[in-house]
Amino acid sequence: EAQVTQNPRYLITVTGKKLTVTCSQNMNHEYMSWYRQDPGLGLRQIYYSMNVEVTDKGDVPEGYKVSRKEKRNFPLILESPSPNQTSLYFCASSLRDTGAYEQYFGPGTRLTVT
Amino acid sequence: AQSVAQPEDQVNVAEGNPLTVKCTYSVSGNPYLFWYVQYPNRGLQFLLKYITGDNLVKGSYGFEAEFNKSQTSFHLKKPSALVSDSALYFCAVRDPILTGGGNKLTFGTGTQLKVEL
Repeated sequence: EAQVTQNPRYLITVTGKKLTVTCSQNMNHEYMSWYRQDPGLGLRQIYYSMNVEVTDKGDVPEGYKVSRKEKRNFPLILESPSPNQTSLYFCASSLRDTGAYEQYFGPGTRLTVT
Repeated sequence: AQSVAQPEDQVNVAEGNPLTVKCTYSVSGNPYLFWYVQYPNRGLQFLLKYITGDNLVKGSYGFEAEFNKSQTSFHLKKPSALVSDSALYFCAVRDPILTGGGNKLTFGTGTQLKVEL
């Protein structure tokens, strides 16, 4: 089944404790992206990757890191999480980086930072 | 810059009645427009898109949307609503003229659709 998977689905952590949220897609998509969803704000892009070893900042990159060493994986790293990073996070992928292609979303990771 | 607005936080409709979820956009050139749906505790699912061609676009689950360039709108419609259509709906826009940002979509804030018996 074609899908985007994320782990973990739920995570509660404390301020400053480094964490990684994994994202993997099995569709051989070139483009991958991370979003955060907050009430009243819709989805905002954190980082994106147009292919292996090619990443760039989105609208809200502060406090996050990413890497794209393999085509299928695009982990999101929070080096020192803070309470304002409490949010619902989505990974997404699409076939190419041009805007005509729809994106496929993972199931989401709900992160709480205390 | 690209932006999208969903003026209604919530839309209530009776089952069997037609539904409309509104979306307006702002881009420099000709937009790429998308609708996604989010069910509780799930990721977003693609419903339909407008890239070029016929202004009336048909998508999944009986939904359709009409691109209106003069009104800069892309309203989502369905002739007969079902209780199972109750979900959070997002409109998104991409300005293909913009450089950088890859496949960046700008999302609206979402409209909660509630279909009641």
